[in-house]
Amino acid sequence: DVKVTQSSRYLVKRTGEKVFLECVQDMDHENMFWYRQDPGLGLRLIYFSYDVKMKEKGDIPEGYSVSREKKERFSLILESASTNQTSMYLCASSWDTYSYEQYFGPGTRLTVT
Amino acid sequence: AQSVTQLDSQVPVFEEAPVELRCNYSSSVSVYLFWYVQYPNQGLQLLLKYLSGSTLVKGINGFEAEFNKSQTSFHLRKPSVHISDTAEYFCAVTFNAGGTSYGKLTFGQGTILTVHP
Repeated sequence: DVKVTQSSRYLVKRTGEKVFLECVQDMDHENMFWYRQDPGLGLRLIYFSYDVKMKEKGDIPEGYSVSREKKERFSLILESASTNQTSMYLCASSWDTYSYEQYFGPGTRLTVT
Repeated sequence: AQSVTQLDSQVPVFEEAPVELRCNYSSSVSVYLFWYVQYPNQGLQLLLKYLSGSTLVKGINGFEAEFNKSQTSFHLRKPSVHISDTAEYFCAVTFNAGGTSYGKLTFGQGTILTVHP
């Protein structure tokens, strides 16, 4: 079974803090993705990575950065958290460009106060 | 512009009744189509996908969807729902605009299906 794990289910941070969200997959997947999920907006792609140290911006990258130093781990970084970044964050991975099925982690609900 | 629209934000239905969740997309390029389900407090799980071939696609848990290219739709159906089908359902699309898409997904807004006893 493919497993995608996220470091925290719930996180509360203060405005201006630097926040790290971690995602680990155990199936040697090439691609990894970070989405945020907001009611009525569905999921929106923040960043994705198609190889170690390779990354590309998604649809809403502003205020975020990512790091992928090892194939199994993909981190989302909020450089200076703001209240409008309060959301559910979902990580996903897929085998490669041609697999087209993404496997999702359980999500991290981040609250910025 | 490329977009995905789920026409209903909430769909209430009684147990054992049929249900249809609607999804339309807008695209000038070829597409791959997906339906994902999210049960409460969980991540998303793939229900079914259309990449090519037969336009009627069968998925897990008795769900099916039909790709209609002329209508640019990919509606999800189940002939008889159960209480356990209560969840949020997302339609998602990969737009194949040339080059490598890396399987990036554009999601619809989600439809909350509530099955009542």
